[in-house]
Amino acid sequence: ELKVEQNPLFLSMQEGKNYTIYCNYSTTSDRLYWYRQDPGKSLESLFVLLSNGAVKQEGRLMASLDTKARLSTLHITAAVHDLSATYFCAVELVFGNEKLTFGTGTRLTIIP
Amino acid sequence: NAGVTQTPKFQVLKTGQSMTLQCAQDMNHEYMSWYRQDPGMGLRLIHYSVGAGITDQGEVPNGYNVSRSTTEDFPLRLLSAAPSQTSVYFCASTPPGGDIQYFGAGTRLSVL
Repeated sequence: ELKVEQNPLFLSMQEGKNYTIYCNYSTTSDRLYWYRQDPGKSLESLFVLLSNGAVKQEGRLMASLDTKARLSTLHITAAVHDLSATYFCAVELVFGNEKLTFGTGTRLTIIP
Repeated sequence: NAGVTQTPKFQVLKTGQSMTLQCAQDMNHEYMSWYRQDPGMGLRLIHYSVGAGITDQGEVPNGYNVSRSTTEDFPLRLLSAAPSQTSVYFCASTPPGGDIQYFGAGTRLSVL
């Protein structure tokens, strides 16, 4: 059974600081996704990581994937208030079947 | 282009009642799925479909039925609602290659 764990579950940080969210998964996987969810809203796709060593960046967010360690990171650079949200990683166990297993999420609060 | 449309947005049921959550997409995606999200948890896959006439179970299928008569629509049926089915339900569709999932706005369901 695939298990996906995120840490921390809650993160409160000041504007301008850097921080990293971690996503560990238990079995070999072909793809890893990162999503953002604002309170009471739906999920917004951020990144799809397809191979070992993959790195993607969008604005102040950068995601990376280490398939050997079964670890993905979401790094936040110089945080701003607008990044406050819950961030989920999700793992696709088998390429092409598109069945995702989600982590429990990291609730990020950026303090001005 | 409406994307993924879910109706209703909110629903309150009594234990034992049945209802159908509607999901429609206008992007001609073959793959569609239903998730539920409970407080403090990530999304869990209920059922999914890889095309019209084809459905399969996800992680938590008990108490739910689905059908896929057209590419556009993927309704989720609660046969006899139970309080444990109180949750937020999200429908998603995925284009070929699965690089991104498009989520609907969600249906908030309370079962009393």
